[in-house]
Amino acid sequence: QSVLTQPPSASGTPGQRVTISCSGSSSNIGSNPVNWYQQLPGTAPKLLIYSNNQRPSGVPDRFSYSKSGTSASLAISGLQSEDEADYYCAAWDDSLNGVVFGGGTKLTVL
Amino acid sequence: EVQLVESGGGLVQPGGSLRLSCAASGFTLSNYWMSWVRQAPGEGLEWVANIKQDGSEIKYVDSVKGRFTISRDNAKNSLYLQMNSLRAEDTAVYYCARGSAVAGFHFDDWGQGTLVTVSS
Repeated sequence: QSVLTQPPSASGTPGQRVTISCSGSSSNIGSNPVNWYQQLPGTAPKLLIYSNNQRPSGVPDRFSYSKSGTSASLAISGLQSEDEADYYCAAWDDSLNGVVFGGGTKLTVL
Repeated sequence: EVQLVESGGGLVQPGGSLRLSCAASGFTLSNYWMSWVRQAPGEGLEWVANIKQDGSEIKYVDSVKGRFTISRDNAKNSLYLQMNSLRAEDTAVYYCARGSAVAGFHFDDWGQGTLVTVSS
């Protein structure tokens, strides 16, 4: 089991807004920024959002983030077919002294 | 353009050893933390190890402590992962990633990965 908990799947139609949740604890999400990674089929992961709500250059502002206590969410607005991918949340864990990931959420664009 | 190219993966028997390499280009390696992250077939991501810019700080996930050693050679623009006493559960694609320890820790660039298969 992963330290951070994500739903295994999510779906939406083009143009819709979807959210993906990520639940943790006080030693990770509760005390450190959450980062999100996108993994397109057959490719390496790519940084999507970091340090709570920063986007690397090239990542559209359709991707946004929120956090409350020990939970976080990734929101994707104006869903597009190219958004179909696996999404992972991650954070530093002060107790484990390392990076912990969620199990990943497979997003399907219907 | 940042490039990270892993090599050294392959098939190894349980109990065997393998050394992975990651060739970095497009940035100054000595300015960055570096990491290894793995992904078992059909599974999610798992952080394996981090090493600080000058090698003075190293961290491992518990499951590889005492078996894996991360190292770097900034002069050769290279990152390494020595893997000993390999187990079936170490089978995964191993990614080299550039890290940032500003506000938590994140991986801002990734290589394409190298597959390690541990099987008899």
